Amino acid sequence: DAGVIQSPRHEVTEMGQEVTLRCKPISGHDYLFWYRQTMMRGLELLIYFNNNVPIDDSGMPEDRFSAKMPNASFSNLKIQPSEPRDSAVYFCASSRMGSYNEQFFGPGTRLTVL
Amino acid sequence: GNSVTQMEGPVTLSEEAFLTINCTYTATGYPSLFWYVQYPGEGLQLLLKATKADDKGSNKGFEATYRKETTSFHLEKGSVQVSDSAVYFCALSDRPGNAGNMLTFGGGTRLMVKP
Repeated sequence: DAGVIQSPRHEVTEMGQEVTLRCKPISGHDYLFWYRQTMMRGLELLIYFNNNVPIDDSGMPEDRFSAKMPNASFSNLKIQPSEPRDSAVYFCASSRMGSYNEQFFGPGTRLTVL
Repeated sequence: GNSVTQMEGPVTLSEEAFLTINCTYTATGYPSLFWYVQYPGEGLQLLLKATKADDKGSNKGFEATYRKETTSFHLEKGSVQVSDSAVYFCALSDRPGNAGNMLTFGGGTRLMVKP
């Protein structure tokens, strides 16, 4: 298994630019999660999908953030426009129904907004 | 609501020392409990889990026992190595199976092991 794949691994952008983070979950997994990790706030759940449908987006901080899952093999998280306070490591994770909720995490995307 | 409380770090130990990282939780019903580990520059990896009271999860020399009476799931290792230096997260899920796969994470505890 290739595991959860995220791209890019590092992203540096300027304030106001659009940022797109990408995730490929493990094949056969039907849940996908987006998290954000910062020193100040720790690990935060932003949104999660079940069978490509968004279930809970209450963790999405603002309208500047959006996430989609057009098919079972791909999801993206967009920030438009980006701000310096969005700088963080963004993780994608996937899991399979009936697996006692074990989540498999990707390596993360480190985002720096200047 | 659900919550997980971990001891604050960093925890600094010498190699071969005994490790305990405390974790307590608040949840409805009968949650499943997890310890995840995050090595520098990487994502979280499942270290061990326990799905019912009195279960003991174990992996790579780490152990944790699901104590319902004290709502705890403390992580222990008898002899730590430098390679165990990482951040450890305790987590729970109170909706196993087909009711949703969300996890509630603690704040993480950084472990530093010195040679």
